[in-house]
Amino acid sequence: GQNIDQPTEMTATEGAIVQINCTYQTSGFNGLFWYQQHAGEAPTFLSYNVLDGLEEKGRFSSFLSRSKGYSYLLLKELQMKDSASYLCALTTDSWGKFQFGAGTQVVVTP
Amino acid sequence: ETGVTQSPTHLIKTRGQQVTLRCSSQSGHNTVSWYQQALGQGPQFIFQYYREEENGRGNFPPRFSGLQFPNYSSELNVNALELDDSALYLCASSPSAHSGNTIYFGEGSWLTVV
Repeated sequence: GQNIDQPTEMTATEGAIVQINCTYQTSGFNGLFWYQQHAGEAPTFLSYNVLDGLEEKGRFSSFLSRSKGYSYLLLKELQMKDSASYLCALTTDSWGKFQFGAGTQVVVTP
Repeated sequence: ETGVTQSPTHLIKTRGQQVTLRCSSQSGHNTVSWYQQALGQGPQFIFQYYREEENGRGNFPPRFSGLQFPNYSSELNVNALELDDSALYLCASSPSAHSGNTIYFGEGSWLTVV
């Protein structure tokens, strides 16, 4: 099975940078995803890593180290609309079968 | 807009009743996965359907069952509802050939069991 850990909550001010860490233990690996979920809404795709290294996509970047079972999501130039839950999700076999972490609630303050 | 539609959006059921939730997948997507998300938690994998066959199941009892139709839309059925079944039920559709951003979630069905 898998075990995925991420912090419960993080607070940062508008314009700042926040890094959300995700550690995992797994016997198989087929990709690590980050999703954003606003309260009461569906998760929306942010990033995907299958190889080690950094993937940059505008204000969001995601990093993966498979040997360390570690990923992070970096949110730059925080905006109020970035207040949401951020979900780390692992897929180990067929596409669309995820093991999700419990989510990190990011609160952006003025 | 993800192209994945779920219905109903909200419903209230009584303990012991049965419920059917529906998901219409995005065009060209032949795989549908269902998730249960309790308040304050991450989604938990229930099962996946690929070309009308179940393709893996999470740690849910048999009273959670599903179906996929020839047009790849899907249903989730839950029998003998319990209070703990109250949650947001999400479906996600994906194609069989995968790349990072081709898994799309619907808006979910909020189920309250009283």
